[in-house]
Amino acid sequence: DAKTTQPPSMDCAEGRAANLPCNHSTISGNEYVYWYRQIHSQGPQYIIHGLKNNETNEMASLIITEDRKSSTLILPHATLRDTAVYYCIVRSSPNQAGTALIFGKGTTLSVSS
Amino acid sequence: AAGVIQSPRHLIKEKRETATLKCYPIPRHDTVYWYQQGPGQDPQFLISFYEKMQSDKGSIPDRFSAQQFSDYHSELNMSSLELGDSALYFCASSLGGGRVSYEQYFGPGTRLTVT
Repeated sequence: DAKTTQPPSMDCAEGRAANLPCNHSTISGNEYVYWYRQIHSQGPQYIIHGLKNNETNEMASLIITEDRKSSTLILPHATLRDTAVYYCIVRSSPNQAGTALIFGKGTTLSVSS
Repeated sequence: AAGVIQSPRHLIKEKRETATLKCYPIPRHDTVYWYQQGPGQDPQFLISFYEKMQSDKGSIPDRFSAQQFSDYHSELNMSSLELGDSALYFCASSLGGGRVSYEQYFGPGTRLTVT
């Protein structure tokens, strides 16, 4: 699986959009980008994933560059409850059931009022 | 919606004792994963099972073993516990079999303290 690089920390004001970048310059054509987050000592939470098209769900949007070498997770209106460590993970496809998630260092997002 | 259930939530053991952690996946999920998260560290993958067969294996010590049962719940058995085994242990589950992607859903974790 391709290696990812994320900034160690970011700050965001409550109500503003949080844009979390991820670099995955060695990503190959069949690898998906997944985002998870972990609120302090809770189990990691799935947010969103994508291959090459931009994706949106009720939690966030995922913007993947055309060359797929980087992506941005967007939380459109950050709240205090979005304070967490955000992990960008690249996984190969075809995915096989049971394939591990490899967590890197992630970005600690701090949302303040 | 039903989530992954882990028991116990907290466990205190002494060195050289054994421990068993249990995981009940989301209904209809047939794949379970175990992760270990030490203090101040990121989650590390231990082992996974799909349809009761071991699917992937990470840095799981030989002192640890796991299995998935016919009802898809899983147990992680840990023997000869060491102080360094003190950690949060997360179980996750997903749907399996011929899918394009497999989102994993995590339980609340079991906090194991070895004294």
